[in-house]
Parts: sequence; structure tokens; C-alpha cells
Amino acid sequence: GDSVTQMEGPVTLSEEAFLTINCTYTATGYPSLFWYVQYPGEGLQLLLKATKADDKGSNKGFEATYRKETTSFHLEKGSVQVSDSAVYFCALSDSGTASKLTFGTGTRLQVTL
Amino acid sequence: DTAVSQTPKYLVTQMGNDKSIKCEQNLGHDTMYWYKQDSKKFLKIMFSYNNKELIINETVPNRFSPKSPDKAHLNLHINSLELGDSAVYFCASSQRLAGANEQFFGPGTRLTVL
Repeated sequence: GDSVTQMEGPVTLSEEAFLTINCTYTATGYPSLFWYVQYPGEGLQLLLKATKADDKGSNKGFEATYRKETTSFHLEKGSVQVSDSAVYFCALSDSGTASKLTFGTGTRLQVTL
Repeated sequence: DTAVSQTPKYLVTQMGNDKSIKCEQNLGHDTMYWYKQDSKKFLKIMFSYNNKELIINETVPNRFSPKSPDKAHLNLHINSLELGDSAVYFCASSQRLAGANEQFFGPGTRLTVL
């Protein structure tokens, strides 16, 4: 079945540091890939997505590129802020008719001054 | 206006009780979902409905019964609650069933079974 593997957290960075959160996936078809963010006490919000190989999703300074050859969708940001502290989830939606999301385990990011 | 709302936000109850969580979306979406997030933040799909029809049931115990009275509502009823049911339950919706449609999540219901 489909699966998503994310790097373990927590990740602790100083403000303005470079962020990478690794994500790799296993899927039988051609999935769409997502990054969702969960701020403390809230539901998940879509951060960015990519629907086919070599697509780059970007939003709020975050970006991720759909790499079919390495089955990866790593999240990057050039300069993190304290307000980026949250849990980040990589997810995929399979190419069949049932668009359930398969999530990774989540990576907690803590940004300090 | 809240896009996906859930009630209650917190639910504390005893083992063996029956409880319901309600979900409503005002986005005009066709598809709604229930996810369970455990204490380690792991999220897993439980059910999805499309136009009030059950599409996905991910080997969830029969004690969990979703009900969709109309496209805008998907409620979750849980019978004979167990300690292991303690989790945060998220409702979500998307415009259509297939493909790359963004799912919009509610704020979650934290269920604690004592």
C-alpha cells in the first residue's frame, strides 16, 4: 500500500536558519503530494502541493519539488521565523478515485530567537 | 465564516459510554472525511463520504458509525467507548473525490476516555 516516511523530529532551529524536512513516499500509481502544517491547537492547513513529476509547490517562502526518480518531496525554506513553529506533515493522495490522504508521522519544528 | 466546523471541541467521557461528534462544512464540497490523530500526532483516515455515500471505511471497528444526513454534514457516532479511542478526531472536506483536491480540515475534537 501507499506510505510516506518523514524525518523524525523535533527539529530545532534558530531564526533565519535554513530548513529542510525530508519526505519520501511509496505509491503504486502517480500520486499527488502535499505538505500540510498544523499550528498548536489547530487543524491542518494545506501549505503546498505538487501533482506531477518535477512540479514545484511553493507558499509563504516554503517550497518542495516532486522528484519521481527519488520518490521524494522534501520541504525547504531559506530563512525560518519563530512563527513557522508547528508540526509539518507530508502526505500523498493516490491516483485512484478515492482521494484519501496518506500522511507521514509529522515533524515538529521549533524556531527560537 | 468557519469553513469546516466540529462540535464539541473537547469531549471527556467514561469507558462504555456512547458519544457523537458533529461536523459541518459550508464550502459546498461533495466529499467529507474523518481522520484520527493519536497521541504521537499520527493521522489516519477513518471514513470518507461522497455525496452522502460511504466511499472509504479503513477497517474501523463497528463501534464507529458515520452518518451523513446531507452533503454538508458528516457526524461520527461512537458506541461503547474504549480507552484506546482517546485521540483527536478531525473532520475534513474536499471539492471532489479524486485527485489533487485540497482537503480543508476542521479544528479537531479532542476525545478523552477515562
